[in-house]
Amino acid sequence: AQTVTQSQPEMSVQEAETVTLSCTYDTSESDYYLFWYKQPPSRQMILVIRQEAYKQQNATENRFSVNFQKAAKSFSLKISDSQLGDAAMYFCAYRRGGGSNYKLTFGKGTLLTVNP
Amino acid sequence: DAEITQSPRHKITETGRQVTLACHQTWNHNNMFWYRQDLGHGLRLIHYSYGVQDTNKGEVSDGYSVSRSNTEDLPLTLESAASSQTSVYFCASSGGRMNTEAFFGQGTRLTVV
Repeated sequence: AQTVTQSQPEMSVQEAETVTLSCTYDTSESDYYLFWYKQPPSRQMILVIRQEAYKQQNATENRFSVNFQKAAKSFSLKISDSQLGDAAMYFCAYRRGGGSNYKLTFGKGTLLTVNP
Repeated sequence: DAEITQSPRHKITETGRQVTLACHQTWNHNNMFWYRQDLGHGLRLIHYSYGVQDTNKGEVSDGYSVSRSNTEDLPLTLESAASSQTSVYFCASSGGRMNTEAFFGQGTRLTVV
């Protein structure tokens, strides 16, 4: 079974600084997708960024970027120029590609605090 | 705009009672999921469905059931609520193979006393 590990239960960053959240995963598949979801205090789950395993280029969405290391099975999220609104719980998630398997497997989450 | 909604947002129930949480989506997605969120555990899959009349157990399915009679709805039933089922429950839906994004409801906070 696939597992997703987030080794940092909590992280903090100063406003305008950069922070990196770590995620590792275990799979025997070659075709899969990886995601970072943000959960602010409102509880809403918001997709931040996604990465297709077959793409070597790291995904980027404005201030959010990933470092995808397929061989190391690592998928870290970098938040640049951190803002107060970035404070949230962040979840890394995995989904198999191909076929008809659409289930997401989540890590336990990293709580990010942004200090003014 | 398409959306996915859960009801109720909050519920308190007593041990032993049957409880049903509703999930309705207007994305016309075939895939629907129920997760529970607990501190220190992240989100764990309870049940999922890939289409009408299709239901499958997830990793924490004991004590829960679902049914899928149409595309839009996947209600989650707790047969006999237990204190261990106090949690925040999320419903999600997603489209087909290349449509990878899952959309989540607002969550239901269930307290079993």
